[in-house]
Amino acid sequence: DAGVIQSPRHEVTEMGQEVTLRCKPISGHNSLFWYRQTMMRGLELLIYFNNNVPIDDSGMPEDRFSAKMPNASFSTLKIQPSEPRDSAVYFCASTNDRGYGYTFGSGTRLTVV
Amino acid sequence: GENVEQHPSTLSVQEGDSAVIKCTYSDSASNYFPWYKQELGKGPQLIIDIRSNVGEKKDQRIAVTLNKTAKHFSLHITETQPEDSAVYFCAAKTDSWGKFQFGAGTQVVVTP
Repeated sequence: DAGVIQSPRHEVTEMGQEVTLRCKPISGHNSLFWYRQTMMRGLELLIYFNNNVPIDDSGMPEDRFSAKMPNASFSTLKIQPSEPRDSAVYFCASTNDRGYGYTFGSGTRLTVV
Repeated sequence: GENVEQHPSTLSVQEGDSAVIKCTYSDSASNYFPWYKQELGKGPQLIIDIRSNVGEKKDQRIAVTLNKTAKHFSLHITETQPEDSAVYFCAAKTDSWGKFQFGAGTQVVVTP
């Protein structure tokens, strides 16, 4: 099993640009979670999906953030326009058992300059 | 909402000694408590978990204990090795779907 695959691993972009982060969950997993990690705020849940349907997006910080899951094997997190305070590591995680035993991806380190 | 506090924030131990990390939670409805290990540049990795109908669980050198009455749970690592050096996170599951509240993390350093 290849695990949860995230791309890109690193992204450097200028303020105001659109950023799209991608995630491929483990095959057969039906729940997918997007987290953001910073030194100041730790691990924050942004949004999660079950069977491709968004369940809770209350952690999405602003309207600049949006997430989609068009099918069971792909999800995107988009930031438009990006700001320097969005700089963080973004993780995707998946599970097949309603939250028990998450598997995290390796993350995308986003730097907005 | 759920609040998870984790202590200590840093822990330095000699190789071979034991390490203990403690977490408290606020929502008595929380029923699942995983522990994650995060190495530099990697995503958190699940190392052990415990459900609320169990008081203790052990897997080789690591164990987790849960006290539902006091609303706290702990991670115990025995016979620590340099490869145990990492950041450890506790978490509490706060809804039926998989929403977790994570602790702030503990940086564990095992010195040879």
